[in-house]
Amino acid sequence: DIQMTQSPSSLSASVGDRVTITCRASQSTSSYLNWYQWKPGKAPKLLIYGASSLQSGVPSRFSGSGSGTDFTLTISSLQPEDFATYYCQQSYSIPWTFGQGTKVEIK
Amino acid sequence: EVQLVESGGGLVQPGGSLRLSCAASGFTFSSSWMGWVRQAPGKGLEWVANIKQDGKEKYYVDSAKGRFTISRDNAKSLLFLQMNSLRAEDTAVYYCARHAYFVFDFWGQGTMVTVSS
Repeated sequence: DIQMTQSPSSLSASVGDRVTITCRASQSTSSYLNWYQWKPGKAPKLLIYGASSLQSGVPSRFSGSGSGTDFTLTISSLQPEDFATYYCQQSYSIPWTFGQGTKVEIK
Repeated sequence: EVQLVESGGGLVQPGGSLRLSCAASGFTFSSSWMGWVRQAPGKGLEWVANIKQDGKEKYYVDSAKGRFTISRDNAKSLLFLQMNSLRAEDTAVYYCARHAYFVFDFWGQGTMVTVSS
């Protein structure tokens, strides 16, 4: 199984900050890496697929990069609605696996 | 608008069974891979199972193999997860999701399953 490790596990940031979350895979996933946003009581939301493609309707302040084993999700200017938990997920091989999540909190 | 609505969750004793359902609308269900993902309380997301459009290919996480069965009714746009021999560690919110081109692109809001005596 491919293990996904996110860092940090949590972070505190202010509105307007640039936020970067990293995700490392235990083996190469090529560009089969997706990012999701989760808020309590809500459905998870796809943000980025294929490592760097922005899902339709997602604000352009979200971006993704990387390939192989190292990936990054960047929020260029944090907005109040962005306080949530973010998960990476590899879709290179079954079982599909997620990172443990990064909780973005208000500073 | 794509909608996925799960139902069937609840409290069940260890060793018991439960059948989850997911009603899909707003897209061509019969043309879509579908899956279940769960989230235990205070934990992260865990993929559980996937099923191909025609129901002939199914995949499971190891912990679900032999206990859970994913199925679908394309005529009614319904996805199911039959869960048997339930354990405390199966306690989670179960999400139904569309799996398109290796991505879970739409999700339901989930149904809670609690396994406890």
